[in-house]
Amino acid sequence: GESVGLHLPTLSVQEGDNSIINCAYSNSASDYFIWYKQESGKGPQFIIDIRSNMDKRQGQRVTVLLNKTVKHLSLQIAATQPGDSAVYFCAEINTGFQKLVFGTGTRLLVSP
Amino acid sequence: DVKVTQSSRYLVKRTGEKVFLECVQDMDHENMFWYRQDPGLGLRLIYFSYDVKMKEKGDIPEGYSVSREKKERFSLILESASTNQTSMYLCASSRPGLQAKNIQYFGAGTRLSVL
Repeated sequence: GESVGLHLPTLSVQEGDNSIINCAYSNSASDYFIWYKQESGKGPQFIIDIRSNMDKRQGQRVTVLLNKTVKHLSLQIAATQPGDSAVYFCAEINTGFQKLVFGTGTRLLVSP
Repeated sequence: DVKVTQSSRYLVKRTGEKVFLECVQDMDHENMFWYRQDPGLGLRLIYFSYDVKMKEKGDIPEGYSVSREKKERFSLILESASTNQTSMYLCASSRPGLQAKNIQYFGAGTRLSVL
């Protein structure tokens, strides 16, 4: 079946380091991907998105890379801060539907 | 700012009780969604709605129903709560279509415990 998953369930980094969170997806027909951040006690919040006709998209301190050949998505966070500590989810949209398929999430722990 | 409000942060119910989880959004969004979130399983879609009085089953609708009588409000109903419905429930809303990026805005969640 179709699925979206993550390679690393927990990632620990030092403040100031760059973080890379990875995600594998299996539905080659998906044409839109989103990263969400979920802080403790809160609902997921949109971070950045990318369409399948793009390889890279940059936001403020975040970059999403899409490799359609190997069906891999990554979220890069520059100069990671303690406030970046959260669970990060990737998600894909099935073409023709308006529902997201979420991965299980990666927990990012940032040490001061 | 988009605001999605879930009526309760924590609920404790007994097996067999009828449970209502309420969600209200203030952005005039057409789409609304109910998910449950469990450790190791991520977010799983229970039901969604594209418009008033319209509902569609998600991936795990069994044991749940929904109601959308007004555009801003989407209710999740557990007709007879069971212990395996203990979970975090998340409501979300979005505008329709990929043109709007389909960004889903989430509420803070309701942690339901069924004893």
